[in-house]
Amino acid sequence: GAVVSQHPSWVICKSGTSVKIECRSLDFQATTMFWYRQFPKQSLMLMATSNEGSKATYEQGVEKDKFLINHASLTLSTLTVTSAHPEDSSFYICSARAMMIADTQYFGPGTRLTVL
Amino acid sequence: RKEVEQDPGPFNVPEGATVAFNCTYSNSASQSFFWYRQDCRKEPKLLMSVYSSGNEDGRFTAQLNRASQYISLLIRDSKLSDSATYLCVVKRSTGRRALTFGSGTRLQVQP
Repeated sequence: GAVVSQHPSWVICKSGTSVKIECRSLDFQATTMFWYRQFPKQSLMLMATSNEGSKATYEQGVEKDKFLINHASLTLSTLTVTSAHPEDSSFYICSARAMMIADTQYFGPGTRLTVL
Repeated sequence: RKEVEQDPGPFNVPEGATVAFNCTYSNSASQSFFWYRQDCRKEPKLLMSVYSSGNEDGRFTAQLNRASQYISLLIRDSKLSDSATYLCVVKRSTGRRALTFGSGTRLQVQP
């Protein structure tokens, strides 16, 4: 099956620093990538939808200047958490929708962010 | 009201038991329906899609009732390895095509 990778798998950083998370589709081209966030014992919440070559669409309540998304190619999207604070500590998961396989999304393994 | 609602559980069942999870969704424009499984600290993985006619995959049976906006998952002959959180997921037919997740139902199968 299609494979999506995320890097790093976990990161611990100090408050105020910026953290970049990469999401790659390894064996297919993804027209759209989605970024989700999951707090402990809660559901995955969509943060933003990223389309290759265009600006991301953010969900209500998600600050676009804080969570910078770049989707520069059909196989790579990045999420940068700028000036991270402890409340940003969460499990960040990306998913990618394949061009040729309609309606199927493949999830990355997630990135666990802890902000001290 | 949440768009997708599930009983959080936990459901504690003995090995070999049959267990059923229910889910309701509020948006009648929802088009596609899925059950995902999520293990602790892992990404969700697709368990099965849910079709109006009902569908079965081994020990797992999924049902959809569009009129009642209700989805179910039945697990027969539970195994220890079935212990996980089961997420009810819907996708709309219009607008953005991201998935909307329920908060999940936790299942613990005990020896």
